Amino acid sequence: QPVLTQSSSASASLGSSVKLTCTLSSGHSSYIIAWHQQQPGKAPRYLMKLEGSGSYNKGSGVPDRFSGSSSGADRYLTISNLQSEDEADYYCETWDSNTWVFGGGTKLTVL
Amino acid sequence: QVQLVESGGGVVQPGGSLRLSCAASGFTFSSYGMHWVRQAPGKGLEWVAFIRYDGSNKYYADSVKGRFTISRDNSKNTLYLQMNSLRAEDTAVYYCAKRGVGATSIDYWGQGTLVTVSS
Repeated sequence: QPVLTQSSSASASLGSSVKLTCTLSSGHSSYIIAWHQQQPGKAPRYLMKLEGSGSYNKGSGVPDRFSGSSSGADRYLTISNLQSEDEADYYCETWDSNTWVFGGGTKLTVL
Repeated sequence: QVQLVESGGGVVQPGGSLRLSCAASGFTFSSYGMHWVRQAPGKGLEWVAFIRYDGSNKYYADSVKGRFTISRDNSKNTLYLQMNSLRAEDTAVYYCAKRGVGATSIDYWGQGTLVTVSS
């Protein structure tokens, strides 16, 4: 089954941009993933589904500041014009046959 | 709008049982697969179980296989998780989550219910 690897933490300044990475394990580089956001003390929220081609579909109400891209086995989430409410944990998700997997999550700090 | 409301969490002793429920509204429940996902205190998300839209197939994480049972009642728009032989390491917030259209990702989450396994 696939494994998803994420950096444990990231930081960026208010108003700047940040690019978070989710890396698929060997043999799974073509897989579709999803990005989810979890603000402190809240339930996760679906952000987008992201294909290996870089094509993505965002969830309802997700701001235009959020975008996705891909390169090989890497899947990216870019947040532009960072806001304080973007400080959160970000998880990637993928699936294979009858198993679903989450990355370990990246804690984003907005400075 | 899609709403998923979990209930049934609480404190239970090791070896005990608990049944979680998830009431769904705002979409055609009987057309979508559903998941349970958990999050231990201070930890990341862990997929627990999935059930197809019609209940015909169910899949489990190795960590809960043989102890947990996922089920659904499409006439009541409700998802369930029966948890038996509970262990301390099952302590977590349990989320129900809706699968998107087609063979795809989770696209909606509930607010979660806390299960604490402790003597």
